[in-house]
Amino acid sequence: DAGITQSPRHKVTETGTPVTLRCHQTENHRYMYWYRQDPGHGLRLIHYSYGVKDTDKGEVSDGYSVSRSKTEDFLLTLESATSSQTSVYFCAISVGHLVNTEAFFGQGTRLTVV
Amino acid sequence: QKEVEQDPGPLSVPEGAIVSLNCTYSNSAFQYFMWYRQYSRKGPELLMYTYSSGNKEDGRFTAQVDKSSKYISLFIRDSQPSDSATYLCAMSETPNDMRFGAGTRLTVKP
Repeated sequence: DAGITQSPRHKVTETGTPVTLRCHQTENHRYMYWYRQDPGHGLRLIHYSYGVKDTDKGEVSDGYSVSRSKTEDFLLTLESATSSQTSVYFCAISVGHLVNTEAFFGQGTRLTVV
Repeated sequence: QKEVEQDPGPLSVPEGAIVSLNCTYSNSAFQYFMWYRQYSRKGPELLMYTYSSGNKEDGRFTAQVDKSSKYISLFIRDSQPSDSATYLCAMSETPNDMRFGAGTRLTVKP
């Protein structure tokens, strides 16, 4: 599993509340990613990081922010959760020399916004 | 139109059958092509990775890329019940812009 831990694994929250998901890696990889997975859409990239304090937007970044203050931790924050953000969120790291083409994924966080 | 199209299935085959999974895409600039396997309530795991066109074989798995037709395939020979999972194709133009298909759910019956 390339040493990736996501927390929490499940969360139910109310509309309008802030939510932070954590991704922790143990192997010091430079590139980390947050994806969401929804039926009929596959996986879509939210944000990614290429180093401490270095982040960039992905395909579906609206409503999300990220932070990376340490190499091992990549946080995803929903500033004000909406029902459309109910999804399964996956963190991934890239271990190949061609970044993001040899990605390893965490176990996922199932988020429900009610 | 989505950039990557993948038939969601479900696909059900008997054990030992040859399975063919396919994706089509619209962006001719895609040059990195991947197949992931995802078991229920787990994260995807990388199965095959190819660059540009051609074939790649790994055990019972063969990946094919036809850039002229914008079509990629994954073949599974001698399919096993343990192959039952959702298979996701993914592709990218640049290393940090991977686009996924919606996934095909496969069941291999003993």
